Order: sequence, then structure tokens, then C-alpha cells
Amino acid sequence: AQKITQTQPGMFVQEKEAVTLDCTYDTSDPSYGLFWYKQPSSGEMIFLIYQGSYDQQNATEGRYSLNFQKARKSANLVISASQLGDSAMYFCAMRETYSSNTGKLIFGQGTTLQVKP
Amino acid sequence: EAGVVQSPRYKIIEKKQPVAFWCNPISGHNTLYWYRQNLGQGPELLIRYENEEAVDDSQLPKDRFSAERLKGVDSTLKIQPAELGDSAVYLCASSNRDRGFKNIQYFGAGTRLSVL
Repeated sequence: AQKITQTQPGMFVQEKEAVTLDCTYDTSDPSYGLFWYKQPSSGEMIFLIYQGSYDQQNATEGRYSLNFQKARKSANLVISASQLGDSAMYFCAMRETYSSNTGKLIFGQGTTLQVKP
Repeated sequence: EAGVVQSPRYKIIEKKQPVAFWCNPISGHNTLYWYRQNLGQGPELLIRYENEEAVDDSQLPKDRFSAERLKGVDSTLKIQPAELGDSAVYLCASSNRDRGFKNIQYFGAGTRLSVL
């Protein structure tokens, strides 16, 4: 069965520093997509970054980058130059693309990030 | 481009009462999802629509939950009767399957339900 594991319930980072949020996944399908979402206290899930299982390069979106290590089945999110507005819950999610590109997302438990001024 | 719109944002009801949530997806998005997020956990899919057809409702508790997506645009999720364990955030998402592998699900702000 597909599974996403986020082992860090909470993280602290100093403003302007970089932080890495861990995510490991388990799937038997060769084709899948990995996503990171941010959920501030307001509740909305905000899409941050996507990595496809066949993508040769690690995905980057502004201050967000994804450290994709396929053999280790890990997809860690790196946030550079942290800002106070980055304080939120972060979710790693996986979609099995083999069956459908509109399939459900499997989410991890989330990591709460707090940025200190 | 407007995002996914959900209403109401908050709802407090007594157990055994009915409740309904509404979702308006991003214009042009053919796929619509309803997820439930319990406190301290990630969202879990309840039902997925492709246009007006429910293609994955395996996680929907059909004895009390129902959903519809008339005309393949807006959707309504209903609970009748509500139980204490239904207290959660109900999230709606939409996506465009024509985007291929990089098909992103965009979420609304959710409806926070409290059942007393």
C-alpha cells in the first residue's frame, strides 16, 4: 500500500536560514508524483512544488526545492531564506500516476514549521 | 484566476442534524475532490468526480454521506445525520486532467465542522 511518512512533527528555524523538511514514501508503482503543500492557520492547502518519478532533475520553485532521492524513496523539501510567513503546517503527498493522473493524493501526517525572528 | 471557493467556512451543529457544504471549483477544471481532514492529520479522500460522474467514492460513508456534482461544475457534500466523529475540516479540490502527469490539485480554504 502507498504510504507517506513525515517523521518531524515540529521544526524551528531562524529567520533567513534554510530548513529541510523530511518525507519518505512507499509505493510499488514505477510512475508516481510527489507534492508538497503548505497549510497556514487559515486552513487552505497551498501547492508548493511537484516532482515526477521520471524527472531527471530536482524540482525548484523560487525558495522551494525538492531533494529527490529515488533509491532511498525520499522527497525532502528545502526552504531557503526562511521568512516569518513560512510558519505553517507542511504536508508531503503522493499520487500514483500509473492508474490515473487524477488519482487521489496520499498525505503524510505533516510537519509544523515555526520561523523565529 | 479565481481559486476554489468553499462555503461556509465554519459550521457548528448538534449531533443528528443535517449539514451541507458547497464547493465551486476553478473554472475549466474537470476533476473535483472532497477530502476530510481530522485534527492533526493529513487530508483523506472522500470522493472524486470526473465531470459529473463519481469515479471514486470508496471512502465515502454512504449511510450518512452523500454528494453531487450537477452539470459538472459546483458540488455539494451532505451529511445526514451528523455524528460527533464527523467534526473535521472538509476540503474541496479541483484539477485539470488535461495537464498530464503534472496535474496539480488546488484546494479551497475548507469548511470547519464542529458537531456538538
